Formats: sequence, C-alpha cells, structure tokens
Amino acid sequence: DAGVTQSPTHLIKTRGQQVTLRCSPKSGHDTVSWYQQALGQGPQFIFQYYEEEERQRGNFPDRFSGHQFPNYSSELNVNALLLGDSALYLCASTSWGSGSYEQYFGPGTRLTVT
Amino acid sequence: ELKVEQNPLFLSMQEGKNYTIYCNFSTTSDRLYWYRQDPGKSLESLFVLLSNGAVKQEGRLMASLDTKARLSTLHITAAVHDLSATYFCASWDGATNKLIFGTGTLLAVQP
Repeated sequence: DAGVTQSPTHLIKTRGQQVTLRCSPKSGHDTVSWYQQALGQGPQFIFQYYEEEERQRGNFPDRFSGHQFPNYSSELNVNALLLGDSALYLCASTSWGSGSYEQYFGPGTRLTVT
Repeated sequence: ELKVEQNPLFLSMQEGKNYTIYCNFSTTSDRLYWYRQDPGKSLESLFVLLSNGAVKQEGRLMASLDTKARLSTLHITAAVHDLSATYFCASWDGATNKLIFGTGTLLAVQP
C-alpha cells in the first residue's frame, strides 16, 4: 500500500518564477492538506482540499494556490516566488468523515528560491 | 487562534536518562498529535491522543493528554542515541480542520 507521495523531491527556482508541487494521497484517502515548513520551525498550514474544492486556508497570500483532481491527487502552485518561500513543503492526507484521525505526511518537497 | 507551545526547544541528554517534553495549547482541543522528524526528512507519526487522560506508549516513549490543563507530555525513558531527532506536538483545530504545530523540540542524546 503506497503511502503519501510527493514530487519532485528537490527544486531550485529563481525569484519571480512559478512552481508546481504535486501530491498523491495514501490509498483510500480523499482529503489533502498542504503545509510549509521553514528551516527550524514547525509546519504551517497552507490549505486543504476535499471534493476538488479548497475547504480551509491558512494565512498565506493568494500567490499560493492549489488544485485537487478527481483521483484525489493535488497540486500546490506558488507564483512570483520570493526568497522567503524557500522551505520544505509537506502534503498530508486523510479520509474525510471516516472517523480516522490519522494525518499521514508525505516525504516533502524541498524548494530553494535563489 | 489556537496556539501551541513546546518546551524545551532544545534538549541535550545522556543515554539512559529520563526526560519530559511539554506541549501547551491555548484552547480546548480533543486531538493531540506527536510527530518525530529526522534532519531533512518528513514527519513520522508517533501518537494520536483523542481524549482527556489518554496515555499511549511505544517503546521508550510515552505520551499523555490533559485537556483540562491544556497540556500534553512526551516522556522519554532511558534515552538511546537513536531517539535523537526533532519532536513536534500538534493540536487539532476543529473549527478549521487543520493541525497547529508547536515549535518543536530538538533532542540530542549523547552517548
């Protein structure tokens, strides 16, 4: 049973560019949440997708957008990259309304903005 | 908004010793998570605590939850070097369906 997968593993971009990160949830999960973890800090919630809609959003600017596909996979897009966007981006999946409380995290994508 | 604080931020301990990491959360939460993170890696789920008084143990780690005191603890018994990592607690914000993480505790177990 594949767990949560993310791609790419590492990414280097230049300020002002745009980036797309991808996440496939654990088998049987339909809800995907994205978190940003800056170096030395705890993860910060970006947004959550369920039924292809953004259900919740954290305190992140509109430069951060996302999408969920019918197969429950998700993308995180960041436009007009800033140096401060350099971080580990984590995807977590769960099953909405199943009664399971586990939040499974993927391996993350390390984004470096130069 | 729900806030989560951990202490200490850094813990250096000798092998064989016991210690406790504390996690305080600002508002009532009925779900508390503990994660381990190794350098450059993702989050590994350790425990999910779902009710007041819940206690879970796995190997040398034991976690507890006191919702009335808004406190969770992660107790380490007879530490070994392999436990060296950063430990995060996270409280579930039911109003917004998201995890609120603490700042993490960097644990270094010295031989």
